[in-house]
This record gives sequence, C-alpha cells and structure tokens, in this order.
Amino acid sequence: GAVVSQHPSWVICKSGTSVKIECRSLDFQATTMFWYRQFPKQSLMLMATSNEGSKATYEQGVEKDKFLINHASLTLSTLTVTSAHPEDSSFYICSARATGRGSTGELFFGEGSRLTVL
Amino acid sequence: QQQVKQSPQSLIVQKGGISIINCAYENTAFDYFPWYQQFPGKGPALLIAIRPDVSEKKEGRFTISFNKSAKQFSLHIMDSQPGDSATYFCAARPDRAGNTPLVFGKGTRLSVIA
Repeated sequence: GAVVSQHPSWVICKSGTSVKIECRSLDFQATTMFWYRQFPKQSLMLMATSNEGSKATYEQGVEKDKFLINHASLTLSTLTVTSAHPEDSSFYICSARATGRGSTGELFFGEGSRLTVL
Repeated sequence: QQQVKQSPQSLIVQKGGISIINCAYENTAFDYFPWYQQFPGKGPALLIAIRPDVSEKKEGRFTISFNKSAKQFSLHIMDSQPGDSATYFCAARPDRAGNTPLVFGKGTRLSVIA
C-alpha cells in the first residue's frame, strides 16, 4: 500500500529551540496533507490542513505562528515547531491522501514523530 | 454534529473471542467510515472502511456493520488474537475523495488475553 514517511521519528530538544518534522508521500502525490497531534492515551487532534502551493488551514486554537506548515511539493509537507516549550511535547502525526488518476483517495498516516522538549 | 462517539473506551477479550467496538454519529453528510488500528508509538493504519450504501463489509477477521437509519457503525474482530491488542479508532468524513479531514472517535484500547 501507499507509504507516508515521517522524519525524525523522535527528537529531543531544548526549550526555546525550533524543530522541523518532515512528512513525505513516497509513492504517490498528495495535494493535501493533514497534521495531527496526539497526547498519551488520547485520540488524534487535527492541527492543520496543508495544501500544496498555498497556505495551511489551521484548526481553531492552533497557533499558526508557533506551528509553521509548509507544503512546497506534491510529496513533502513540513511542520516546524518554533520556540518549543515542554508543553509542546507530544506525538505528531501526518497523513496524506493519494490524488490523481487511479488513486483511491484513501488517507494514509505516517509513523509519527515523538517530540520531547526539555 | 461533527462528533463521532466511540465506545467502549477499553475492552478486554479472551483469545478466540469476538471484539466489538461501536461508533455513532450525528452528521448525515458523513459518507465514508474507516477504522484505524494504532499500536503504541506508531501511526494509525487503515484497517477497513465502509460507505453507507452497504450494511456490512468483511475483510478477513474484521467486519464493519453499518446501520444508516440509526447512524451507527461497529467493528467486529472475530477470533481475536493477542496481536490484535491495540487502540482502534473509528472515523468519518463527508466525502471520501475530498479534502475534508477525518473526524475521529476517542479510541478503544483493546487487550486480547490468552
């Protein structure tokens, strides 16, 4: 099946630094990618919808200046957590939907990136 | 209207038994209902999905039952195995091929004991 790759899978950083997480669709094109945040034992919380070539659409309560999303190509979206603080520590997961002729439109998830801010 | 209510929150089933997880929704515009399986430290993986034009879909040991009039759908795992122990999320979306995001249930932690 389709593969969505996230990198890094885990990262530890100091408070105040910025961290970039990459989400790649490896064998399909994705005009739309979604970024989720998941706290332990909780469901996925949608942060933003990333659209190739245009600005991301953020969910209510998500700070767009803190969580910068860039979707520069049909196979890559990045999430940058700026000036990270311990409360930003979480599991970040991206997902992508296959588009184009012959695609099923199914949504595929990355393996997630665990961020720990010290 | 955008919520998907999932129950139970946790479930313990003996090996070989049937695991049943239920979800209910309000938004009649939902047109696509997938189930995801998530292991600790991993991203969710699509397990099985259904559209409301059918009442049941079966793939191996996994079956979705769909009741459009009641706005409910459920996942049945037959012959449950310890390897099925994971968190299961139901979800819904108005348009399978569209760009609207999925609405997720809160998840069910399944433990299959030998």
